[in-house]
Amino acid sequence: DVKVTQSSRYLVKRTGEKVFLECVQDMDHENMFWYRQDPGLGLRLIYFSYDVKMKEKGDIPEGYSVSREKKERFSLILESASTNQTSMYLCASNPLDRRDTEAFFGQGTRLTVV
Amino acid sequence: AQSVSQHNHHVILSEAASLELGCNYSYGGTVNLFWYVQYPGQHLQLLLKYFSGDPLVKGIKGFEAEFIKSKFSFNLRKPSVQWSDTAEYFCAVTSGGYQKVTFGTGTKLQVIP
Repeated sequence: DVKVTQSSRYLVKRTGEKVFLECVQDMDHENMFWYRQDPGLGLRLIYFSYDVKMKEKGDIPEGYSVSREKKERFSLILESASTNQTSMYLCASNPLDRRDTEAFFGQGTRLTVV
Repeated sequence: AQSVSQHNHHVILSEAASLELGCNYSYGGTVNLFWYVQYPGQHLQLLLKYFSGDPLVKGIKGFEAEFIKSKFSFNLRKPSVQWSDTAEYFCAVTSGGYQKVTFGTGTKLQVIP
């Protein structure tokens, strides 16, 4: 069974803290994505990566950075958490060379910044 | 840049009613189209996908969607909904060399028994 695993289901952090969200996939996919999901706004792409150490900005990268040191792991970093970053964060992966294959999602991390 | 529009934000239906959820995308090249579903408290799951061939695709749980290239549309349908179909539905598109996935804003479906 294919899997995308996010390290935490729920996180509560204080304003100004540095926050790390971790994601691991076991499908040997080249692409990995970080989205945030907010009511009425759907899923908005923060960053994606198509290879180790490669990253591309998505639609809302401000306030975030990412790290991909290994193919299976993609980390989202909030350098200085703010209350407007309270959201559900979803990680996904898909293969770069198989356009008929869908993206697979983790269970999500609900982050609350207080 | 590609974009996806879902015009119905919240739909309420009685059981056995027919469902059609609209999805339009903007991208001039070759696209792959998906519908995902998110049941309350669960992660996103694939309902169906289109990448080539027959424009009418069938997915799980009796759902189907039709790709109409001239209208840039990929509407989701189900002839008779059940209470268990209560969920949020997302249309998505991938295109280009990187297969980046772009989502619509989602439609919340509430089915009343």
